[in-house]
Amino acid sequence: DQQVKQNSPSLSVQEGRISILNCDYTNSMFDYFLWYKKYPAEGPTFLISISSIKDKNEDGRFTVFLNKSAKHLSLHIVPSQPGDSAVYFCAASDQTGANNLFFGTGTRLTVIP
Amino acid sequence: DVKVTQSSRYLVKRTGEKVFLECVQDMDHENMFWYRQDPGLGLRLIYFSYDVKMKEKGDIPEGYSVSREKKERFSLILESASTNQTSMYLCASSWTVRSTGELFFGEGSRLTVL
Repeated sequence: DQQVKQNSPSLSVQEGRISILNCDYTNSMFDYFLWYKKYPAEGPTFLISISSIKDKNEDGRFTVFLNKSAKHLSLHIVPSQPGDSAVYFCAASDQTGANNLFFGTGTRLTVIP
Repeated sequence: DVKVTQSSRYLVKRTGEKVFLECVQDMDHENMFWYRQDPGLGLRLIYFSYDVKMKEKGDIPEGYSVSREKKERFSLILESASTNQTSMYLCASSWTVRSTGELFFGEGSRLTVL
């Protein structure tokens, strides 16, 4: 059973606008969440993370929000750029660390120039 | 920069062949992982290793085995390839077992089994 879900397989956004990618999880033991970005024919690269003790983490144009009560996190990209077009994976970890990293199915973001 | 190198970017094999996928990392990471990525299924963990000669099954180990004889190298073996093993295979490495989950991935090996 998928413990981390990304219900939107794809998203298209105009350049300069905000992109919002969503992720839901079911396991209340998850305490660390990450977003990875993947270009075609490349491996995923780490983008941003958030610990469960926070509800927001920001890094430049990227902000991740965590709503623990709803078991929901989102990635905001502002402003979106064509180079942001990629597949974004949400991932979650419990206290045992990287050995138990659960990935979502990914959302393909297309930023239209 | 951390570098995770996978030996083959593209492979085409026939059903029943033995397949080796090699992965080398240059950052002295303790943990190494093999995932497969399939459309609509995300990344699924096949095996991981937290030390030389140590291995643990992930979510989908059936039909696969692994070898870690040296810290920097982690090999995935398909003893008898089948068409349902056609996939993108991703190797990753990370710091200690208690690390916060950030993985460093290789570029992937796309395997087609005919």
